[in-house]
Order: sequence, then structure tokens, then C-alpha cells
Amino acid sequence: DAAVTQKPRYLIKMKGQEAEMKCIPEKGHTAVFWYQQKQSKELKFLIYFQNQQPLDQIDMVKERFSAVCPSSSLCSLGIRTCEAEDSALYLCSSSLGEQYFGPGTRLTVL
Amino acid sequence: GEQVEQLPSSLIVQEGASVLINCSYTDSASVYFPWYKQEPGKRLQFIIDIRSNMERKQTQRLTLLFDKKTKHLSLHITATQPGDSAIYFCSASRGSSGSWQLIFGSGTQLTVMP
Repeated sequence: DAAVTQKPRYLIKMKGQEAEMKCIPEKGHTAVFWYQQKQSKELKFLIYFQNQQPLDQIDMVKERFSAVCPSSSLCSLGIRTCEAEDSALYLCSSSLGEQYFGPGTRLTVL
Repeated sequence: GEQVEQLPSSLIVQEGASVLINCSYTDSASVYFPWYKQEPGKRLQFIIDIRSNMERKQTQRLTLLFDKKTKHLSLHITATQPGDSAIYFCSASRGSSGSWQLIFGSGTQLTVMP
């Protein structure tokens, strides 16, 4: 079955290091979203792409993150300089109507 | 921006009981309200949604009520089973479907005891 895929599933970085995670949206989905989930709750919207173009993002993403969708089948979210507060589960979703979520990348910053 | 409040934060019930989860939102421009379920170690799973031109939606054991005037939603789950144990999230969106960012509530941890 088609499903949103995220890699890697787990990522461990030292404070100050760069981190990158990838998302493969469902085939045919034109919208891709990234969310940050802390403490198994607290789901926060980060950035949104439509047809590979960023349409909206929160200030934190503009300041410290990098996000691109170089193709319709691949998006990536990067953190330029990891901080302890970035430890979280990063969820990608794609949509043609309702949003379907990937399993997430769990980032731990030591 | 939009804020979504969800209560209660946790619920523990016996199998067979009914539960009610409440959400309220602040942005009058929000028109689409999907709900998701997250079981431990599993991905967020869509369970039901409602649009602002509706008052009620029902699917199997789920009933979702929407009050546009008070900006309030409530999810009623009947005949709960241990398999219903999960974190339930309400969300709100300005888009008429999922093609716009979702603003989530803080989640309700539901535990159904056998």
C-alpha cells in the first residue's frame, strides 16, 4: 500500500550539529506538511509545501531550519544547528484531500 | 493565530463505556476539523472529520458534533474497546480539506480497561 515514508526513523545529534530528515509523500499528493511533536503530544505545524513550493512556515523554521522539496517524490527538513529543544518526533504528512502521516523521525539532541 | 484547546487530557474507562472529548477553537476562519488517533509507536491515523457547514457526523462508534456559534466540537465514542486506547487529537484548518496546515489540540490520552 502507498504510504508516507520517512527516513531515518531515529537520529541522534550533538548540540551544534546539522541534522537532515527525509519524507517521501504518497504518490500523486501535491501538498506536504512537516509537524513537530514533543512529549507524545504537542503537535506543532512547521512548514507546508504545495506542488514543491513552500507556502507557509513558522518563524522558527525561517530562522534555524531548511526545508525543500526537490521533486514531487521527495522532501527534506534540515536543522542547521541542533539545540536540545529540537529533540522531538518530526512528522511529515501529504495530502490530496485528507492528510496522511508518516511514522516520523525521532531526533535526539545530546 | 488559531488556538485549539482540548479536554480532558486523559481518560480511563472500563470496556463498554462511552467517552466524550471536547475541543474548542478561536479562529472563525477555520472551516475543517479532522480528528486523528495515535497508538503507541504507530503513525497518526485519521478517524473522522467535519466541515463548518455541518453540525453532526457519525461513523460506526464515533459521533462528531460541531457548534459553529460557540466554536466547539465534541467527539463521542461509544462501546469502547481496549483497542481504542490511544491519544486522540482534534485539529482545525482554514482549508476546506486537508490541503492546508492543521492546528492541533494537545491530545486526550484514552485508556480502556478490559
